[in-house]
Amino acid sequence: SQQGEEDPQALSIQEGENATMNCSYKTSINNLQWYRQNSGRGLVHLILIRSNEREKHSGRLRVTLDTSKKSSSLLITASRAADTASYFCATEARSNDYKLSFGAGTTVTVRA
Amino acid sequence: DSGVTQTPKHLITATGQRVTLRCSPRSGDLSVYWYQQSLDQGLQFLIQYYNGEERAKGNILERFSAQQFPDLHSELNLSSLELGDSALYFCASSVGNTENIQYFGAGTRLSVL
Repeated sequence: SQQGEEDPQALSIQEGENATMNCSYKTSINNLQWYRQNSGRGLVHLILIRSNEREKHSGRLRVTLDTSKKSSSLLITASRAADTASYFCATEARSNDYKLSFGAGTTVTVRA
Repeated sequence: DSGVTQTPKHLITATGQRVTLRCSPRSGDLSVYWYQQSLDQGLQFLIQYYNGEERAKGNILERFSAQQFPDLHSELNLSSLELGDSALYFCASSVGNTENIQYFGAGTRLSVL
């Protein structure tokens, strides 16, 4: 079963707009990561946020983490056509064995 | 390029057959992970190896097995294949420490006919 659940399942926006997607998870975590997958390709790591961090930035990406609500959000600012992809959150549970549990993903389409 | 190499890229086979998927991790990475991605199940963790030893097991069927060799490459063996095994199979590797950033290969697309 999957630990993370992304919301929404799909998102369509105009180029230049911001895209926000959310992830909720169930258990205590060491960290939460976001990955991007272009159609039919391997996942690419975007950003990692530790359980003691609340916000992190990387280029046009902003990630927040609220451990009290067991949720995270990923914001992509000034979106480009190249941002069209599926985005997955992945959690490393505190109990763990270093494995990541991936959510079902949010499919983002950026219209030119 | 992630540095993780998976072969073959595509595999077409028949029900009941056995196939082997191969993965070479990034240089220096000790951990290898296998995932199955299908449309209805999403990305499912199958199994992890660390420096030759099995470290974690996920939703891996008994018909599937894996191993990691001394040179750290890994193989995933799928046997008695069923139509429902058709999926993308990804290998990922990581250094294997607590901040487990994984680097994914391009995947093997398996079609069972």
